[in-house]
Amino acid sequence: QQPVQSPQAVILREGEDAVINCSSSKALYSVHWYRQKHGEAPVFLMILLKGGEQKGHEKISASFNEKKQQSSLYLTASQLSYSGTYFCGTEINNDMRFGAGTRLTVKP
Amino acid sequence: EAGVAQSPRYKIIEKRQSVAFWCNPISGHATLYWYQQILGQGPKLLIQFQNNGVVDDSQLPKDRFSAERLKGVDSTLKIQPAKLEDSAVYLCASSPNRNSNNEQFFGPGTRLTVL
Repeated sequence: QQPVQSPQAVILREGEDAVINCSSSKALYSVHWYRQKHGEAPVFLMILLKGGEQKGHEKISASFNEKKQQSSLYLTASQLSYSGTYFCGTEINNDMRFGAGTRLTVKP
Repeated sequence: EAGVAQSPRYKIIEKRQSVAFWCNPISGHATLYWYQQILGQGPKLLIQFQNNGVVDDSQLPKDRFSAERLKGVDSTLKIQPAKLEDSAVYLCASSPNRNSNNEQFFGPGTRLTVL
């Protein structure tokens, strides 16, 4: 079952913060976050595992609430390079399902 | 380290024709994924291989789509016959294995247009 992401789109000015949410109707084992720029392949940002383990880039932070089956990606002090579409992928029984994406635009 | 390679990058065909896409994963990666990404949507998993065995193909339209990874390295995805709704970017990704703490490395994709 596909996870639900919110918001669908967000526009920021450089230096502003944003939060992207991902929720699932089923119990999750892990949540993956990727960013995709227009016309390019998705690029890995972070993995959050059940039990608290995290793996990802130092400048990216995220949370994983196992009970609520939700994850949030926190983008602070946004830069122009943060623009792109952010996808969360939820893993249930080794099956990965991606959300529809959140389009982030950072303006000067 | 070389990334995931895919070819062709673009393909235009007419409906009812056949098409094949090729993917070469990162060397040593046991797990290979094929995704379909329709414009404006997230990637949809079509099939997952672990070495040369299929782990998950529950979302693969088996009446027209097929995929193989005979030697556990590169893989081919075929559509026969193609429909208009198959127009999408087909992404191949690989990871060292199926462990949940492994990120997926995506290739550049093949953009298919069915006319």
